[in-house]
Amino acid sequence: IAGITQAPTSQILAAGRRMTLRCTQDMRHNAMYWYRQDLGLGLRLIHYSNTAGTTGKGEVPDGYSVSRANTDDFPLTLASAVPSQTSVYFCASSDSTAGNNEQFFGPGTRLTVL
Amino acid sequence: GQNIDQPTEMTATEGAIVQINCTYQTSGFNGLFWYQQHAGEAPTFLSYNVLDGLEEKGRFSSFLSRSKGYSYLLLKELQMKDSASYLCAVRDGDYKLSFGAGTTVTVRA
Repeated sequence: IAGITQAPTSQILAAGRRMTLRCTQDMRHNAMYWYRQDLGLGLRLIHYSNTAGTTGKGEVPDGYSVSRANTDDFPLTLASAVPSQTSVYFCASSDSTAGNNEQFFGPGTRLTVL
Repeated sequence: GQNIDQPTEMTATEGAIVQINCTYQTSGFNGLFWYQQHAGEAPTFLSYNVLDGLEEKGRFSSFLSRSKGYSYLLLKELQMKDSASYLCAVRDGDYKLSFGAGTTVTVRA
């Protein structure tokens, strides 16, 4: 089934630990995005990639890093997790050549940093 | 940057109509999206407007006025399954989306 998968579904993490959230899409979309969603703040862009091999910073990039080695995968790494990074993380992808360039979202990862 | 405002909550009765307003101030504009998000789930695409006017898709319609920085999403013949959050998002010239905080719609029997 075509779409976006994220792993893990949820995770509880001790502060200071390193964590990588995985995201894979099989729609051959060129663009991919990472958002965090917090109550009352909506979705905020962390990092994005317009094509394999390139990445860019979004609205809230501090404490996070990404890589885009190929079209399908876009992992998000927290080098040293802090409690303020407790959130729901959504990965998304889009085809920027398409008419409306809508973004398709993965199911999300619920991360709790203690 | 983008500043996007929409109401926090709305309540309506099954079968009724609800209009969710969204106002925005942007440094660049390349389209406006509406997404639906049920509790605990991912956002799903509802509509897209890039030109002024009304786009109709079944029970849902979306309107855009670029000169006023204003959009609305109209939900007609409300059903219980329409209870969800509705997210307004503006796309900038780099194809990045900025989201409003979302409007939670509760449909009552």
